Amino acid sequence: QKEVEQDPGPLSVPEGAIVSLNCTYSNSAFQYFMWYRQYSRKGPELLMYTYSSGNKEDGRFTAQVDKSSKYISLFIRDSQPSDSATYLCAMSGAAGNKLTFGGGTRVLVKP
Amino acid sequence: DTAVSQTPKYLVTQMGNDKSIKCEQNLGHDTMYWYKQDSKKFLKIMFSYNNKELIINETVPNRFSPKSPDKAHLNLHINSLELGDSAVYFCASSQWGGGGPAKNIQYFGAGTRLSVL
Repeated sequence: QKEVEQDPGPLSVPEGAIVSLNCTYSNSAFQYFMWYRQYSRKGPELLMYTYSSGNKEDGRFTAQVDKSSKYISLFIRDSQPSDSATYLCAMSGAAGNKLTFGGGTRVLVKP
Repeated sequence: DTAVSQTPKYLVTQMGNDKSIKCEQNLGHDTMYWYKQDSKKFLKIMFSYNNKELIINETVPNRFSPKSPDKAHLNLHINSLELGDSAVYFCASSQWGGGGPAKNIQYFGAGTRLSVL
């Protein structure tokens, strides 16, 4: 069993819908939680990061962390075709330098 | 101006060859990383250097040898390439130290797509 589990998808939604993504993890030492977006044949780019439990909002993106359930989520409101990409969750412990990634969820937003 | 740049973007080679991938960052960061992304998109850390010192060395065959001549550069040399080495290799950088979660923010290059025939 991998340390970080993520449904590979694809997750197909109509334009304007809310995209809901999540990851579960097993290592209770994780403290920093991130979401990266990766377009085809590009490198991952950071979308959101949160420390410990709680919510964080940035424009159309909301990240949630529930450490008690070892569960993190990313919501994308008013989804656009340009949001079509693979979304990777990543997390690290207190040292912060070693990221453990989920396998990514492929999202398709249809016009 | 590209923040983290890797060369080459594509590398096609025969089994048994030796090849190198180069990475440079102009973000002023002091920590750099190599990741391997397999065909299933699973991204796994291989090595990390902080101020030219190796700080992470995951279970990677010793055919892979990283080298950091300075804080801004991290190269990856691969000896005796095997079919299973085919993957996309990503370089990343971050700023270590300081308070708060900023040290965890890693910036990635565009990747080097390695195909071993």
